[in-house]
Formats: sequence, structure tokens, C-alpha cells
Amino acid sequence: NAGVTQTPKFQVLKTGQSMTLQCAQDMNHEYMSWYRQDPGMGLRLIHYSVGAGITDQGEVPNGYNVSRSTTEDFPLRLLSAAPSQTSVYFCASGGNYNEQFFGPGTRLTVL
Amino acid sequence: GEDVEQSLFLSVREGDSSVINCTYTDSSSTYLYWYKQEPGAGLQLLTYIFSNMDMKQDQRLTVLLNKKDKHLSLRIADTQTGDSAIYFCAVLGGGGNKLTFGTGTQLKVEL
Repeated sequence: NAGVTQTPKFQVLKTGQSMTLQCAQDMNHEYMSWYRQDPGMGLRLIHYSVGAGITDQGEVPNGYNVSRSTTEDFPLRLLSAAPSQTSVYFCASGGNYNEQFFGPGTRLTVL
Repeated sequence: GEDVEQSLFLSVREGDSSVINCTYTDSSSTYLYWYKQEPGAGLQLLTYIFSNMDMKQDQRLTVLLNKKDKHLSLRIADTQTGDSAIYFCAVLGGGGNKLTFGTGTQLKVEL
């Protein structure tokens, strides 16, 4: 099993550009989520999904969209990037909310 | 919403015990977790405790939960230089879908 994979590992965007952060898991987990990590603020939940076709907002959803068309994939879209979205983004998946597996992260810089 | 707090830094000598503390606010929390993050990496689940438990021991790790005070701690026995990392406390809310992280405690192990 590859576990949770994220692409790209690094990305630099200009303000106003759009992009999609990819996340995939091969553990057949229903639950998937996206977090952002900023210095001194821990991890904050952006969006999560409890299964294909179901998504919900987390703590900081503004500026981000998600969809869940398959169990395996949970992409995060930035429609119009802003410097405030400079962060490290982590995708995670878990089976019964008892344990979450994290991907290696995507480091995003918005200029 | 849930609020999870940790101290930011802890420094110990190799061979000593480390105790990392965490406080939370949601009394209906079900699972409580400790994650470890090494530089440039994602989060790795170390251990977890269910809310009806007071203590859990796993090799060098001991988790203590005081539900009355909403206080969680992680004790690492015989701390090694390889234990240097950021440790995050995380709490699963009563709704079962949202994991709230603390700000993380950076553990530095000195020779």
C-alpha cells in the first residue's frame, strides 16, 4: 500500500492563479480530510468528506473547494490564490475516525 | 468549537523522561490522540486513548487522561535524540467527524 499520496510536493503560485492539490489513498477509507499547517497554529481543518459524494466544511473553508467523486481521491481546489493561503497542506484519511493517516504534505507559496 | 492548547517548547536531556501536556474544552470528546511530526514530514500517529480510559501505556509512551480537568499528557520514558520532533495533541469531537489539533509542542532532546 502506498498509503496517502499528495502531489505536488512544492508549488509556487501568483496571486489570482488557480490550482488543484491532489490527494489519493489506497486503503479504502471512507473518511478523508484536508488541513493546513501554519507556524504556531497547529493544523486547521479545511474540508472533510465521510464518503464519496459527501463533503463538509471544516474550520477554515473559505477560498477552497473540494469534491469526492471516488473513495480514493479527494482534490482540494484553490480558485483564486491569495498570499494568505501560503501554507503547508496535509491530506489525511481514516477508517473509523480512530486513526488518521497523513500524506507527506504540499508546501504552497503564493506570491 | 473545540479549543486544544499545548505549550510550545520542551527541552530535556537524553535519558530523562519527557512530559508533554495538552488541555481541551469539549467534554464530549471521544478519542484523543498524540501525533509526532519530524522536520519536513507529515504527521505520524503515536498513540490514542478513548475517553473512557484514564491511562494507556505503549512501550516508552504513557498517556494519561484527566477527564474532569480536560487534561491529556504524553510521557516519553528514556527520551532519545530521535524523539526530537513536534508533538501534536488532537481531539475528536463528540460529533465524530472533526479532529481538532493543538498548536504542537516542539521537543528538543539535548545530549
